[in-house]
Amino acid sequence: NAGVMQNPRHLVRRRGQEARLRCSPVKGHSHVYWYRQLPEEGLKFMVYLQKENIIDESGMPKERFSAEFPKEGPSILRIQQVVRGDSAAYFCASSPIGGLTTDTQYFGPGTRLTVL
Amino acid sequence: GENVEQHPSTLSVQEGDSAVIKCTYSDSASNYFPWYKQELGKRPQLIIDIRSNVGEKKDQRIAVTLNKTAKHFSLHITETQPEDSAVYFCAASKLTGGGNKLTFGTGTQLKVEL
Repeated sequence: NAGVMQNPRHLVRRRGQEARLRCSPVKGHSHVYWYRQLPEEGLKFMVYLQKENIIDESGMPKERFSAEFPKEGPSILRIQQVVRGDSAAYFCASSPIGGLTTDTQYFGPGTRLTVL
Repeated sequence: GENVEQHPSTLSVQEGDSAVIKCTYSDSASNYFPWYKQELGKRPQLIIDIRSNVGEKKDQRIAVTLNKTAKHFSLHITETQPEDSAVYFCAASKLTGGGNKLTFGTGTQLKVEL
């Protein structure tokens, strides 16, 4: 009965490198959300994906950030040319097939990104 | 877009006392209001949620109330215990059947003292 899995749990990158964060949703869940949490702050929505589709990316920076949720495999949040301001905890959440009664989001343990 | 404000930012209570955390939201179309508990370095965990068609929901020592007219909702924890110490986040969203983007409050650090 695995919940949402994220890896790596901790990631250290130097400025200018790429960060790749992975999220495996709860088995059977086809909706994935990514949130960013800066130190001492709340979670901010970044992007919402269904299998092979980006539904809402209104919270994602226009440059350097991208996300995907392929037909097979985990969802990936990719940050190119990282800067110190990207240091944060990145949480993935999943929910079952969309519908008014299936809306609960289950969060993963997060990936803590540190940019040196 | 939706904006959620949360108060207080820190709350200290004695064990056994009650704790109340309040949130207001701006978008009258929001209809789903979950509360998450986050312990240090851990994932946010859903503790209770409420939909706009009800005014109150209770689960053991935890209750949530919703006032749609005033656009505010509150979390009530009774008989607090040291293990209730954590950061609590409220959130709001519009359930449309096509997604559930959550807008979070800034969090309340609850400390239950012995």
